[in-house]
Amino acid sequence: DAGVTQSPTHLIKTRGQQVTLRCSPKSGHDTVSWYQQALGQGPQFIFQYYEEEERQRGNFPDRFSGHQFPNYSSELNVNALLLGDSALYLCASSLGGTGAYEQYFGPGTRLTVT
Amino acid sequence: AQSVTQLGSHVSVSEGALVLLRCNYSSSVPPYLFWYVQYPNQGLQLLLKYTTGATLVKGINGFEAEFKKSETSFHLTKPSAHMSDAAEYFCAVAPHNAGNMLTFGGGTRLMVKP
Repeated sequence: DAGVTQSPTHLIKTRGQQVTLRCSPKSGHDTVSWYQQALGQGPQFIFQYYEEEERQRGNFPDRFSGHQFPNYSSELNVNALLLGDSALYLCASSLGGTGAYEQYFGPGTRLTVT
Repeated sequence: AQSVTQLGSHVSVSEGALVLLRCNYSSSVPPYLFWYVQYPNQGLQLLLKYTTGATLVKGINGFEAEFKKSETSFHLTKPSAHMSDAAEYFCAVAPHNAGNMLTFGGGTRLMVKP
């Protein structure tokens, strides 16, 4: 079992550009959540996808959008990049439902905006 | 809204000494509670969680945490620190109706001295 995988590992973009990050969940998991972790801070919840729909959303602007595919993999898109979007973006997968199921985190994508 | 406060962004202990990492939460009702560990350049790994029942929870790698409702706390302990315990530790909470939507604290970096 490969666990949660994310691509790319690192990414450098310029202000105003758009970026797409990708996540493949752990085998058997149907729910994908995305988190932003700024340097020296704890992760912040961006949104969660289940059954190809956004189910929960944190306090992030509409520039942040996502998608979940039929195979449960997911993409995070960020438009009009700002310097403040520089962070480690973590993907986590779990089972669906509202229980306290364990979330498995990927190693993250380090995004640098210059 | 829920929030998590981790007292002490850096904690240093000697190898073999007691580890105590503090976590307090703010929530109108007791939430689900979690501790995660993050090693350099890796994703987060679940150490332990509290949902219901016994308030003393045992996790992996010899860690345990006790839920104290009256103190709104969920402190993490380990009787004897090992060099391999050096990492960043995050306390997190989730509401019962969205058990996999985590709100993280700012993290505590644990350093273990030989």
